[in-house]
Amino acid sequence: DAGITQSPRHKVTETGTPVTLRCHQTENHRYMYWYRQDPGHGLRLIHYSYGVKDTDKGEVSDGYSVSRSKTEDFLLTLESATSSQTSVYFCATGGDGNEKLFFGSGTQLSVL
Amino acid sequence: EDQVTQSPEALRLQEGESSSLNCSYTVSGLRGLFWYRQDPGKGPEFLFTLYSAGEEKEKERLKATLTKKESFLHITAPKPEDSATYLCAVTGSTLGRLYFGRGTQLTVWP
Repeated sequence: DAGITQSPRHKVTETGTPVTLRCHQTENHRYMYWYRQDPGHGLRLIHYSYGVKDTDKGEVSDGYSVSRSKTEDFLLTLESATSSQTSVYFCATGGDGNEKLFFGSGTQLSVL
Repeated sequence: EDQVTQSPEALRLQEGESSSLNCSYTVSGLRGLFWYRQDPGKGPEFLFTLYSAGEEKEKERLKATLTKKESFLHITAPKPEDSATYLCAVTGSTLGRLYFGRGTQLTVWP
């Protein structure tokens, strides 16, 4: 398996609280991604990064922000969590933007 | 708008009963089409990449093909361990943007 670690693996939080999810990779991949997966919707792109401090929005970016200060780390922040952000979040990495992605094991986030 | 549609949503097969999964796409400037397998509680795992119409890739009981509008994942003589959700994804004109379909949940029973 590619060296992708997501933390935490599970989190329960309350509406209105800030939440940060972390993705750490040891593959030195240039591209990193945050997806959410919900029943009936499949995998939807939240944000992605194509280099240190270079990020772009995906299709469901509202309510989320990201940061990438080092090649190996990509953080996803929910500034004020809402119940609609209850989901499974996956981090993925890739080398050149047009090759296979490697996925982490996911973070189950529940916002009560 | 770029879009990926997979069918059927769910498929039940008896062990040994071959079938195909479909992925149709509308994307400007296709760069690549990807197939992934996802087991419950895990992240997707890469299976194949196809880059141009007419291309085919094989791995064990799986064979992926690509036309200008769709891709098929053929499963020959499936076994229960092939049970999983199969995801299709494409990259288009924007490098790095990968669009996923909703997947086909495959169940193979003995």
